[in-house]
Amino acid sequence: EAGVAQSPRYKIIEKRQSVAFWCNPISGHATLYWYQQILGQGPKLLIQFQNNGVVDDSQLPKDRFSAERLKGVDSTLKIQPAKLEDSAVYLCASSLDAGGGETQYFGPGTRLLVL
Amino acid sequence: GDSVTQMEGPVTLSEEAFLTINCTYTATGYPSLFWYVQYPGEGLQLLLKATKADDKGSNKGFEATYRKETTSFHLEKGSVQVSDSAVYFCALGGGYQKVTFGTGTKLQVIP
Repeated sequence: EAGVAQSPRYKIIEKRQSVAFWCNPISGHATLYWYQQILGQGPKLLIQFQNNGVVDDSQLPKDRFSAERLKGVDSTLKIQPAKLEDSAVYLCASSLDAGGGETQYFGPGTRLLVL
Repeated sequence: GDSVTQMEGPVTLSEEAFLTINCTYTATGYPSLFWYVQYPGEGLQLLLKATKADDKGSNKGFEATYRKETTSFHLEKGSVQVSDSAVYFCALGGGYQKVTFGTGTKLQVIP
């Protein structure tokens, strides 16, 4: 079974530029998550989708970040414009459902450096 | 809001030593509790979980018990190996409750 795929793996941009990350979850997984992990910290949930609906985006900086999950499968996370403090690893995860105790399966992450 | 507090690392142990990594939490309701592990150069993966009070999760010789009375989920292993060197994250949540991670504890096991 293929795991969670993310691209690109690395991205370097200058501040005020825009960037987009792509995630393909495990086939059949209804729930998809985007996390931001700053060096030395634990992952912070940015947004959670259940199929193509948003369950939680309370920690998503909506003035610059946006995410969509068209057709309830792939997802894209965008930052526009980027700030220096956005430098982090962006993790995508998926789970079979959003039920309590569901295991999340993580992708390899996209490492973003904003100069 | 919900939060998870882990002991700070790095933790350095000799091979075959006993391991404890402390984790305490603050949450509304009764969340599921998780330990995730990140081995060098690899992505995060689930190590073990417990979904209700007094449940014990176990995997690869690691154990953790969901203690509601002390709001804790400490990770233990009786005899660590060099291959256990990794960063360990305690987390809570699941379902429609936001998943919240601790800051991680780096474990280094020396031969």
